[in-house]
Amino acid sequence: DAGITQSPRHKVTETGTPVTLRCHQTENHRYMYWYRQDPGHGLRLIHYSYGVKDTDKGEVSDGYSVSRSKTEDFLLTLESATSSQTSVYFCAISVGGEGMNTEAFFGQGTRLTVV
Amino acid sequence: QKEVEQNSGPLSVPEGAIASLNCTYSDRGSQSFFWYRQYSGKSPELIMSIYSNGDKEDGRFTAQLNKASQYVSLLIRDSQPSDSATYLCAVEGSGYSTLTFGKGTMLLVSP
Repeated sequence: DAGITQSPRHKVTETGTPVTLRCHQTENHRYMYWYRQDPGHGLRLIHYSYGVKDTDKGEVSDGYSVSRSKTEDFLLTLESATSSQTSVYFCAISVGGEGMNTEAFFGQGTRLTVV
Repeated sequence: QKEVEQNSGPLSVPEGAIASLNCTYSDRGSQSFFWYRQYSGKSPELIMSIYSNGDKEDGRFTAQLNKASQYVSLLIRDSQPSDSATYLCAVEGSGYSTLTFGKGTMLLVSP
């Protein structure tokens, strides 16, 4: 499982409430990612991090923020959850870093339902 | 907008046959290409990576890359019912190893 743990694994929350998802890795990899997966859209990148306090936006970043205060943890926050953010969220790490011969491995996923 | 296209399927093959999965991508500058397998309700699992033109074999799996045609394929030989899953093609985009995924092809292998 590449030493990646996501928490919680399942969550139901109400519209308008803040939600934070956690991704924890045990192998000190520099690059970490948050993707969401929805039927008909596949996996889409939300945010990524290339080091402590170094983050950037992905394809579908609106309504999400991230933080990485230490190497092992990458947090995804929905400031005010909406029904359109109901999805399965996957954290990933990249082994190898920049350039060629990098491979991404995924956590178990978090199923989030916003009601 | 970088795009990765896959036939959604399902692709149905009998047990023991060769399954052929295809993927095209739009960014001609892409350098790294991956195939993931995803069982229903599970996370994507990396099964093949390929970085240069030609074929790369790993057990029953062969990945093929043609950068001139912007085309990646995955062949699964001697398909088994346990191969039934959705196969995701992914292409590395930026220098930070971000991936753009296709929507996946569902493979069904019948006994």
